Amino acid sequence: DTEVTQTPKHLVMGMTNKKSLKCEQHMGHRAMYWYKQKAKKPPELMFVYSYEKLSINESVPSRFSPECPNSSLLNLHLHALQPEDSALYLCASSQEFRRVSYNEQFFGPGTRLTVL
Amino acid sequence: GQQVMQIPQYQHVQEGEDFTTYCNSSTTLSNIQWYKQRPGGHPVFLIQLVKSGEVKKQKRLTFQFGEAKKNSSLHITATQTTDVGTYFCAGLRLISSNTGKLIFGQGTTLQVKP
Repeated sequence: DTEVTQTPKHLVMGMTNKKSLKCEQHMGHRAMYWYKQKAKKPPELMFVYSYEKLSINESVPSRFSPECPNSSLLNLHLHALQPEDSALYLCASSQEFRRVSYNEQFFGPGTRLTVL
Repeated sequence: GQQVMQIPQYQHVQEGEDFTTYCNSSTTLSNIQWYKQRPGGHPVFLIQLVKSGEVKKQKRLTFQFGEAKKNSSLHITATQTTDVGTYFCAGLRLISSNTGKLIFGQGTTLQVKP
């Protein structure tokens, strides 16, 4: 299985809602990522988990809260978002960092989020 | 901070013409990766270059990594309509032995006229 899955595919939420995005991989990868992508822009890194521990937080607002329950799952909890947070949210995974040749990232299809 | 510049931003070619996109980093990269994102899709890994001066080929695609490991290029020979999409280069920045991140270029969007 060389796939990263994400649910839901689309999400519309109000500014007072609480929702969660889910990501799953069964490739045995030990690094998992959340990215935000706006139209016609590159993916913008939000968080990195390495061996199930949060290793990088790119100064993301606290209304985004990541969680890694186990090595296969990654969640992104959303609360009190703003309309400008509307974007494609991508999850990705890679094997590990200890050897630079093993860092190709596998992206999921993304969740298209609209905040009203 | 570390930046990866990518040019051109857009390229329109006639089917059969060649296409090249270039990336340049302000600092030395551990490796460079290339991704393709089709319209409405997600980034898909194409290739990774690790060694200084490395050249790799995938059918009509040729990837190069500069001698100083600061620049890279992707060249497509005889483009086809299936090559349409946005091509991103991404340099790996290792933060520690256990973590790091990709620094993405801005991407080059390729349109191919049949």
